[in-house]
Amino acid sequence: GAGVSQSPSNKVTEKGKDVELRCDPISGHTALYWYRQSLGQGLEFLIYFQGNSAPDKSGLPSDRFSAERTGGSVSTLTIQRTQQEDSAVYLCASSLAAVASFEAFFGQGTRLTVV
Amino acid sequence: QQQVKQSPQSLIVQKGGIPIINCAYENTAFDYFPWYQQFPGKGPALLIAIRPDVSEKKEGRFTISFNKSAKQFSLHIMDSQPGDSATYFCAASKRGSSNTGKLIFGQGTTLQVKP
Repeated sequence: GAGVSQSPSNKVTEKGKDVELRCDPISGHTALYWYRQSLGQGLEFLIYFQGNSAPDKSGLPSDRFSAERTGGSVSTLTIQRTQQEDSAVYLCASSLAAVASFEAFFGQGTRLTVV
Repeated sequence: QQQVKQSPQSLIVQKGGIPIINCAYENTAFDYFPWYQQFPGKGPALLIAIRPDVSEKKEGRFTISFNKSAKQFSLHIMDSQPGDSATYFCAASKRGSSNTGKLIFGQGTTLQVKP
């Protein structure tokens, strides 16, 4: 596709359930980032993938959060045992590489609501 | 050390006015300072970016002013239009092969341009 694609666009889940959020980066982009945007807040870094290197997980808020990237392309962010404070917009971004390109392109995000 | 502080939180100007949004950072290792524009329901989109070796950069009606000694940078929007009404985020990162290039975002400024 032409841009970063995220699915679903909206997700309502019950507290305690697990959710999976998907990100399809721009073809050829080796760097992929997940951010979280809470209501009225800035964007909070969660995790970074670059090629086959070990991911930078330093932003994950708890061990309920995990992410993987299969084949260097599609990424899935998983939140286990969701809590109400997990409600936010989860944004994925990709770039050619952290070294080669300055511009990170963002998807439209997945709005997660935990009820 | 990792924070980027942005002000004001919100801004209202008349059409044709020049809104100014300010950001300050602490980590002198940052070497890339982008501004992102976000419309409701959309992901952030890169507007303009600057490296610390220049003091000003212009792209169309958007100008970044950069003060390395003060560790501050600002966005000026010339001849603002109602279509510029959006949320603006400043960010900072450290690029290079030994860094992830993750963006540290300010809290955002909601701009309203009145007709």
